[in-house]
Amino acid sequence: DAKTTQPTSMDCAEGRAANLPCNHSTISGNEYVYWYRQIHSQGPQYIIHGLKNNETNEMASLIITEDRKSSTLILPHATLRDTAVYYCIVRLPYNNNDMRFGAGTRLTVKP
Amino acid sequence: GAVVSQHPSWVICKSGTSVKIECRSLDFQATTMFWYRQFPKQSLMLMATSNEGSKATYEQGVEKDKFLINHASLTLSTLTVTSAHPEDSSFYICSAREGGAGLGSPEQFFGPGTRLTVL
Repeated sequence: DAKTTQPTSMDCAEGRAANLPCNHSTISGNEYVYWYRQIHSQGPQYIIHGLKNNETNEMASLIITEDRKSSTLILPHATLRDTAVYYCIVRLPYNNNDMRFGAGTRLTVKP
Repeated sequence: GAVVSQHPSWVICKSGTSVKIECRSLDFQATTMFWYRQFPKQSLMLMATSNEGSKATYEQGVEKDKFLINHASLTLSTLTVTSAHPEDSSFYICSAREGGAGLGSPEQFFGPGTRLTVL
């Protein structure tokens, strides 16, 4: 019962920006948007999270729309190592039971 | 970020045997740990949530007598798959969070996963 909708798959050229969209139209006012990624046969890796302001860290940028019903994860210069499944998760930050994974977006970075 | 390890990274066992998987937080105290299962080409499914020193809370449809979870210390949780069968073959992933509900870091840090194959 994931609260998010993501495209099943996307391709991106190496060195270009990868923009991964996520719809979360039922997000509540105190829920955060989290992004994780999972490289094949590994555990998920935390990327970034935000509430309503845009966020940036060394891995990516997160753009959240003003109505908070959708967001975009941006990998500014995608590399082959960024090929993974990217999960967008909406959750309360301290709720123990709230880390639910949807199907995610399989991003393939091509040379 | 914080590091979570799992042991073993992969295991092959015969049907009917029990398998124990360990999850350790290496550089922080994990009050809460989570166990997930992932079948091929599927997403992660939460199996149970465990808080140190108390019984685990299992998700609907997960048999607590088959998947025994022990969270005896702030750095170690174990998942034992009892009387394993081929349908239990899967990728088991743990994650850990520092602090209890409302406390500590909200991020969950994931282990590298354990691939279980039951013959």
